[in-house]
Amino acid sequence: DTGVSQDPRHKITKRGQNVTFRCDPISEHNRLYWYRQTLGQGPEFLTYFQNEAQLEKSRLLSDRFSAERPKGSFSTLEIQRTEQGDSAMYLCASSPQGGGMITGELFFGEGSRLTVL
Amino acid sequence: AQSVAQPEDQVNVAEGNPLTVKCTYSVSGNPYLFWYVQYPNRGLQFLLKYITGDNLVKGSYGFEAEFNKSQTSFHLKKPSALVSDSALYFCAVRFLDTGRRALTFGSGTRLQVQP
Repeated sequence: DTGVSQDPRHKITKRGQNVTFRCDPISEHNRLYWYRQTLGQGPEFLTYFQNEAQLEKSRLLSDRFSAERPKGSFSTLEIQRTEQGDSAMYLCASSPQGGGMITGELFFGEGSRLTVL
Repeated sequence: AQSVAQPEDQVNVAEGNPLTVKCTYSVSGNPYLFWYVQYPNRGLQFLLKYITGDNLVKGSYGFEAEFNKSQTSFHLKKPSALVSDSALYFCAVRFLDTGRRALTFGSGTRLQVQP
């Protein structure tokens, strides 16, 4: 399968712990996006990368959240000192040059579900 | 404020009947409009988009959507529903005049097609 892959698919952690999610986009896609989805809501934009450059961040991305894409390939999303309100599905998407935010066709992974106890 | 709304949490339709999933938006300029579908335990999948041109756009799996500028709506439609169409549907908008590149998603509508 050459789609967007996310790891881990599920993570249960205790409040105050740090967690890290990884996203591997479709190989030829240079744009990568992180979204968060809570139950009963649509996905909420967190941040966007073009190659290794982080070009846009939502106000939802508090100081406890950090995202990287060091070599312009895979990306990580780290949440420090997790809180119960961080419990959500974290979605990664990718798109090719010229696509994505312009044409709208984002290719989503299946998400990483975080449960904070 | 610029926003996108899906006024129905759930839509129920019998198999073989036409279906409509509603989406309205509030924007000062011209938006780009999209529909995505999410099946259980699967990622979101792109269905169709309106950028410019014909108001009726056709997408995957027999779905189509009609852009109505005067009513600021972009309703998703299908002439004959299938049980396999049962899923969560999201309308998304890119507001061009904000400078933001991100898509804003509606809260979703669950489509239930009964056999």
